[in-house]
Amino acid sequence: DAGVIQSPRHEVTEMGQEVTLRCKPISGHDYLFWYRQTMMRGLELLIYFNNNVPIDDSGMPEDRFSAKMPNASFSTLKIQPSEPRDSAVYFCASSSGEGYGYTFGSGTRLTVV
Amino acid sequence: GENVEQHPSTLSVQEGDSAVIKCTYSDSASNYFPWYKQELGKGPQLIIDIRSNVGEKKDQRIAVTLNKTAKHFSLHITETQPEDSAVYFCAASSTDKLIFGTGTRLQVFP
Repeated sequence: DAGVIQSPRHEVTEMGQEVTLRCKPISGHDYLFWYRQTMMRGLELLIYFNNNVPIDDSGMPEDRFSAKMPNASFSTLKIQPSEPRDSAVYFCASSSGEGYGYTFGSGTRLTVV
Repeated sequence: GENVEQHPSTLSVQEGDSAVIKCTYSDSASNYFPWYKQELGKGPQLIIDIRSNVGEKKDQRIAVTLNKTAKHFSLHITETQPEDSAVYFCAASSTDKLIFGTGTRLQVFP
């Protein structure tokens, strides 16, 4: 398996623009997680899905953030409009269930200028 | 909800020495405790995990111990090598989501 695949690896955008981050989980994993990593706040869980259904989105910072999982092999995290404080590394991870570790993707480094 | 504290935030050791990273958790129902290693520019990678029915687990130079009574668990790395330099995260779970510690930056000097 190629692991969890995220795209793009790097994204630089201007404030106010829409940003879409993409993730392909490991085949057969029922859980998908979106994390944001910054020096100040560490690894923050934004939202996670089980069988394509959002379970907990309490970590989504505000309405500018949205996430979808239209099928078992694809998820998106969208920021609209983007702001400089959204600059961070965004990770997607997948898991086969409770009591099992996550497999993380390589992350998307987002810079909003 | 669960809260995980991790110490120290930075750790420097000489090559060949041992390194120990400690974590405490708050939810007594937590039953799964993985450790992740994150190298520069990469995502966290699972290196070892332990479940609450086990007190210790070892895999070559790394080991994890769990004290359920005190609600703390530790990562032990023996005979450290420069390639062990990275950020290490502990995590705890009682449900289907992991709560991560704040990370420990380990530097191994040759």
